[in-house]
Amino acid sequence: DIQLTQSPSLLSASVGDRVTITCRASQGISSYLAWYQQKPGKAPKLLIYVASTLQSGVPSRFSGSGAGTEFTLTISSLQPEDSATYYCQHDNGYPLTFGQGTRLEIK
Amino acid sequence: EVQLVESGGGLVQPGGSLRLSCVVSGFTFSDHYIDWVRQAPGKGLEWVGRIRNKANRYTTEYAASVKGRFTISRDDSKNSSYLQMNSLRTEDTAVYYCIRPLVGPTRAFLNWGQGALVTVSS
Repeated sequence: DIQLTQSPSLLSASVGDRVTITCRASQGISSYLAWYQQKPGKAPKLLIYVASTLQSGVPSRFSGSGAGTEFTLTISSLQPEDSATYYCQHDNGYPLTFGQGTRLEIK
Repeated sequence: EVQLVESGGGLVQPGGSLRLSCVVSGFTFSDHYIDWVRQAPGKGLEWVGRIRNKANRYTTEYAASVKGRFTISRDDSKNSSYLQMNSLRTEDTAVYYCIRPLVGPTRAFLNWGQGALVTVSS
């Protein structure tokens, strides 16, 4: 099975900061990686797929990059509403797996 | 508007069974795969399984943790998917989400239901 490891697990940043979350795959997954945002008590929301394609309606301050085994999710200018848990997920064979999550707090 | 609505959650004893339903609207159900993902209380996301569409012969895939105990099915005439859960264990306690993935070379999880809570406890 492909393991996805996110870092950091917890991130605290201020409004306006540039924030980066990393997701490392235990083996190459080409660009088959997605990012989700989950707020408490809500279902996750798709932000980015195939590593760098922004889902329709997602603010342009979110961006993704990477290929192979290393991927990043970047928020260019953090907003208060970005406080959430972020998950990466691969789509390169079964079983599909998620990273353990990164909790992003606003200082 | 795309909607997926899960139902059928509740409290069940270990070893028992439960069937979740997912009724969808706002898109042509028969064209799409359906995934199920779960989230234990306070924990991360875990993919449970997938059912493909008629064009792909309704074939299924499962996570190792549920294979042989859970069965995903669908009824295109009712715009519905089902998750039959047997031999339930306490570690199956979770919110279960029904999902419409993208169509194409990637099937990232585009639309999610609100989730159904399943509690396995004596």
